[in-house]
Amino acid sequence: ILNVEQSPQSLHVQEGDSTNFTCSFPSSNFYALHWYRWETAKSPEALFVMTLNGDEKKKGRISATLNTKEGYSYLYIKGSQPEDSATYLCAFHTGGFKTIFGAGTRLFVKA
Amino acid sequence: DVKVTQSSRYLVKRTGEKVFLECVQDMDHENMFWYRQDPGLGLRLIYFSYDVKMKEKGDIPEGYSVSREKKERFSLILESASTNQTSMYLCASSLGGGLETGELFFGEGSRLTVL
Repeated sequence: ILNVEQSPQSLHVQEGDSTNFTCSFPSSNFYALHWYRWETAKSPEALFVMTLNGDEKKKGRISATLNTKEGYSYLYIKGSQPEDSATYLCAFHTGGFKTIFGAGTRLFVKA
Repeated sequence: DVKVTQSSRYLVKRTGEKVFLECVQDMDHENMFWYRQDPGLGLRLIYFSYDVKMKEKGDIPEGYSVSREKKERFSLILESASTNQTSMYLCASSLGGGLETGELFFGEGSRLTVL
């Protein structure tokens, strides 16, 4: 059974704190790893699509790394802001139509 | 701005009722999906479709059916709603045609409560 684990389940930080989350996924049948941000009352939106071992992607204050050999990805947020409050979903794509989602990390950033 | 639109944000239905959840995408995507999201669990795939009139079961198809009569529209049907189908339902689409990384484009979700 393919499983994607995310930790922590939830996180409360102060504005300005930097934080990171972990996504663990199977190290076989890898095609792509996706990070999505899901804000309350909105639709989940793709942050990063990562396909190569060693990939590092950055979008503003948010960055992500990928290690396909050991099956993990980290998402970093530098200087968290209240608008970063959201659920961050990790999704492991095996190619074809199969995407396996983690349960998400819920981030709360307090002003 | 590309969009996936779900017809209802919130629904309350009674046990045994037939429920239709509609989803429309304007990106000319080949693939469309229905997921449900429950607390503490990752999104779980109910059904997907890779072409008009084509449908495939996902991981949890029991109690659901789907319809894709037009490329842009994918409907989820609960023939006889039950309380364990109370959930958030997310529709998504992806490019398809072997030209993609699997990135999904989501609707805003439909929160269904079955009493």
